[in-house]
Amino acid sequence: DGGITQSPKYLFRKEGQNVTLSCEQNLNHDAMYWYRQDPGQGLRLIYYSQIVNDFQKGDIAEGYSVSREKKESFPLTVTSAQKNPTAFYLCASSIDGGGGYEQYFGPGTRLTVT
Amino acid sequence: GENVEQHPSTLSVQEGDSAVIKCTYSDSASNYFPWYKQELGKGPQLIIDIRSNVGEKKDQRIAVTLNKTAKHFSLHITETQPEDSAVYFCAPQAGTALIFGKGTTLSVSS
Repeated sequence: DGGITQSPKYLFRKEGQNVTLSCEQNLNHDAMYWYRQDPGQGLRLIYYSQIVNDFQKGDIAEGYSVSREKKESFPLTVTSAQKNPTAFYLCASSIDGGGGYEQYFGPGTRLTVT
Repeated sequence: GENVEQHPSTLSVQEGDSAVIKCTYSDSASNYFPWYKQELGKGPQLIIDIRSNVGEKKDQRIAVTLNKTAKHFSLHITETQPEDSAVYFCAPQAGTALIFGKGTTLSVSS
């Protein structure tokens, strides 16, 4: 069954701790994306990767870091430098990062930092 | 950068009615215009898309129309059903990134 998996579904952390969100895809897609969604808001792009070992900052990259060592995996680390980390985080992939292709989304991880 | 606005922000209809959501964008270089549906607690899912060389596209009860001159595109849902209740996002693309609108919450009551 092809798709995108994100784990865990819910994550709780104390302020000042780094936390890593997992994203895995078995669709053989080249491009992967991380978005943040806040209540009543659209999705905002954090980072994206068009190919293995390469990634670019999105609109709100400050306080986040990523890696793309394998085609199927694109983990996101929320660092203590992120001022408002509590949010719903969505990972997506597309067959190509050049634009004009459907993005497939995972089920999301809801992060709560207190 | 691209500025995207979606209207209305909420829409309530009776089952069987039609629903229309409009999305305006600012970047004239945008060339791909998708609509995503997000159900509660889930990730968005593409429901229909259109490219800049096409004015209208239809898939059963769902259609999208594009007016590139006026820089807007609209989602049309006919014969609405309770399972159409969700949040709908437009996400015009210029370059490599989709720019999402803030969403429209559609409620279909039976």
